[in-house]
Amino acid sequence: AQTVTQSQPEMSVQEAETVTLSCTYDTSESDYYLFWYKQPPSRQMILVIRQEAYKQQNATENRFSVNFQKAAKSFSLKISDSQLGDAAMYFCAYRSAFPEYGNKLVFGAGTILRVKS
Amino acid sequence: GAGVSQSPSNKVTEKGKDVELRCDPISGHTALYWYRQSLGQGLEFLIYFQGNSAPDKSGLPSDRFSAERTGGSVSTLTIQRTQQEDSAVYLCASSWGTGGSYGYTFGSGTRLTVV
Repeated sequence: AQTVTQSQPEMSVQEAETVTLSCTYDTSESDYYLFWYKQPPSRQMILVIRQEAYKQQNATENRFSVNFQKAAKSFSLKISDSQLGDAAMYFCAYRSAFPEYGNKLVFGAGTILRVKS
Repeated sequence: GAGVSQSPSNKVTEKGKDVELRCDPISGHTALYWYRQSLGQGLEFLIYFQGNSAPDKSGLPSDRFSAERTGGSVSTLTIQRTQQEDSAVYLCASSWGTGGSYGYTFGSGTRLTVV
């Protein structure tokens, strides 16, 4: 079974600075999808960024980018120019590319990000 | 609808009572998922629907939990004889097809408190 590990329960960053959230995963599959979700106090999970495992290029969405290291099974999220609105719980998630192995997302335990003004 | 809608937003129930949680997915989304998030924890998969059938219900924690989906749209998660350990936020998500490439759209969840 696949597992996702987020080793940082909490992180803090100064406004306008850069922060990196860590995520590692364990799988024997060769093709899969990886996601970062943000959960603000409103509880709604918001998709931040996604990565397809067969693509070597790291995904980027505005101030958010990932460092995807397939061999190391690592998928970290970098937030540049941090803003107060970035404060939230961040979850890393894995999904198999093969429907026969299930369609569910497997989530890590989350990292609380605090942004200081 | 424009997003995934869940009701009620909050529910307080007495131990031993039955509760029903509702999820109204985005119109046209064929896949629907239920997850549970206990306080300060990650999300735990409960069940997956494709249309009205549930090919994966492996995450349901006990036979007190059941779910159905009708008309390929609205889903109801039912918890019978609630226990205090059932207290959590129950999140619903939906997607086109299997949702693999683009992730899922989540609702804001139902916070269930069993007293």
